[in-house]
Amino acid sequence: GAVVSQHPSRVICKSGTSVKIECRSLDFQATTMFWYRQFPKKSLMLMATSNEGSKATYEQGVEKDKFLINHASLTLSTLTVTSAHPEDSSFYICSANDRRVNTDTQYFGPGTRLTVL
Amino acid sequence: GESVGLHLPTLSVQEGDNSIINCAYSNSASDYFIWYKQESGKGPQFIIDIRSNMDKRQGQRVTVLLNKTVKHLSLQIAATQPGDSAVYFCAENNSNSGYALNFGKGTSLLVTP
Repeated sequence: GAVVSQHPSRVICKSGTSVKIECRSLDFQATTMFWYRQFPKKSLMLMATSNEGSKATYEQGVEKDKFLINHASLTLSTLTVTSAHPEDSSFYICSANDRRVNTDTQYFGPGTRLTVL
Repeated sequence: GESVGLHLPTLSVQEGDNSIINCAYSNSASDYFIWYKQESGKGPQFIIDIRSNMDKRQGQRVTVLLNKTVKHLSLQIAATQPGDSAVYFCAENNSNSGYALNFGKGTSLLVTP
C-alpha cells in the first residue's frame, strides 16, 4: 500500500517551454502533497505544500508563478514548470500523505528527471 | 537556525556486518522522525519511523534509536547486504512546521562483498 507514482519519469525540453509533472497516489487518498527538488548528491529541498482543493503554500525563495501547483483531487497533484530554463534542470520528487489517517508519514514518488536544453 | 544533519557523509561496510548511521537534530520541538533510503535515480523509500515518546523501534533488520537528551537519532541495519547500498536520509517534522519534512544531508552507505 501507499504507492505514489509520477509521470513522466524523465523529460527533456527546450528552454522557454513549459513542462507538467503529475503526481498520483494510487491506493490511498492524499489530502496533502509535497513537492521537492533535489540536486545531484544533495538532500531534498521542499518547494511547496499543497492541500486538496486549496492553494499551495510555497517555501521561501520558490517562485509560485514559475512553479505552478494544482491539487484538484485527492489522488492527483501537478507541478508545471513554466518557461523552463537550464537552471531548472533537476530531479523533482513528490510525496503524499493522508492527513485524516496519519499526519506525519509521507510516501514518495519515484521522481522526475527534468533536463532543460 | 533549526537543522537536521548527519555526522558521516559516507559509510563503507562489509557485507554481513552491522551498519550504524547517525543523525543529529537541533529542533527540540521535533516530535516525529523518519529514515528514508534513496537509491540512485529513485525517490526516497520509507524505512522506519519513530515518535518522540519512544526511544527505540525495530523493524525487519533495522532499528531506530532516539536520544532526545542529546538530540540524536541513529539507524542500525543488521547483517548489511549489497542491496542496502544507497543514500540514507533522516527527516523530522513537528506540528509547528505544518507537517512538512526537514531532511538531513544524507549518508551514502556502500556495502562491499
